[in-house]
Amino acid sequence: NAGVMQNPRHLVRRRGQEARLRCSPMKGHSHVYWYRQLPEEGLKFMVYLQKENIIDESGMPKERFSAEFPKEGPSILRIQQVVRGDSAAYFCASSPGGEKQYFGPGTRLTVT
Amino acid sequence: GDSVTQMEGPVTLSEEAFLTINCTYTATGYPSLFWYVQYPGEGLQLLLKATKADDKGSNKGFEATYRKETTSFHLEKGSVQVSDSAVYFCALTESMDSNYQLIWGAGTKLIIKP
Repeated sequence: NAGVMQNPRHLVRRRGQEARLRCSPMKGHSHVYWYRQLPEEGLKFMVYLQKENIIDESGMPKERFSAEFPKEGPSILRIQQVVRGDSAAYFCASSPGGEKQYFGPGTRLTVT
Repeated sequence: GDSVTQMEGPVTLSEEAFLTINCTYTATGYPSLFWYVQYPGEGLQLLLKATKADDKGSNKGFEATYRKETTSFHLEKGSVQVSDSAVYFCALTESMDSNYQLIWGAGTKLIIKP
C-alpha cells in the first residue's frame, strides 16, 4: 500500500504566479488535511476535506488560498498570486477516519 | 484555544546520553497526545501516542507518559544515537472534536554528537 504522495516535492514560483500543490491520499482514505510549516516553526492546520466536501477551512487564509478534493484524483491546494510570505513547507495528511493521520513528504514552496 | 508548548532547541547531546524533551499542553477537553519526528529533508512520522491519562506511549526506545495533573507529555530516551538527530514535534488532537485536526508545538531540534 503506497503511502501519501505529494507533488511536486519542490516548487519555485515568482511573486504573483499561481502555485498548485497535489496530494494523493493512501488507498481507501477519504479524509485529507493540509498543514503549513513556516521556516523554524511548527505546523499549522489549514483545511480538512472529505471527498468533494470542505469540512473545516478555519486555518486557511481567506484570500488567494483554496482547496479541493474531487471525487476522482488528488486533493489540490491552490495559492493564487503568491507572495514571499507563502514560502513554506506544505504537508498533506490522509486518514481513514478517526485520529490517525499519515503524512506525505511535503511540498517546499519557494517564492522569489 | 488549545495549545502545545515545547522546550526550545536545539538540544545537543553526546551519543548514549539521556534525553528529555519537555512538552506541556492546554486543552478544554480530553486530548490525545502525540510525538512526531521529522528527519532532515523528510516528512513527519508518528513516533508514539497516548490517548488517556497515565497511558505510556513507546516506540524505538522513546517513551512519553500522559500526565493529566501536570498537563505534560515529556519525551524521554535512555540512550540516544546519532541517528536520532531530527526535529521532534509534540501535538494533540481533541477526541471530542470530530475533525481531529492536530495542534502542534513549535518543534525541538535534537543534535546528537558521536
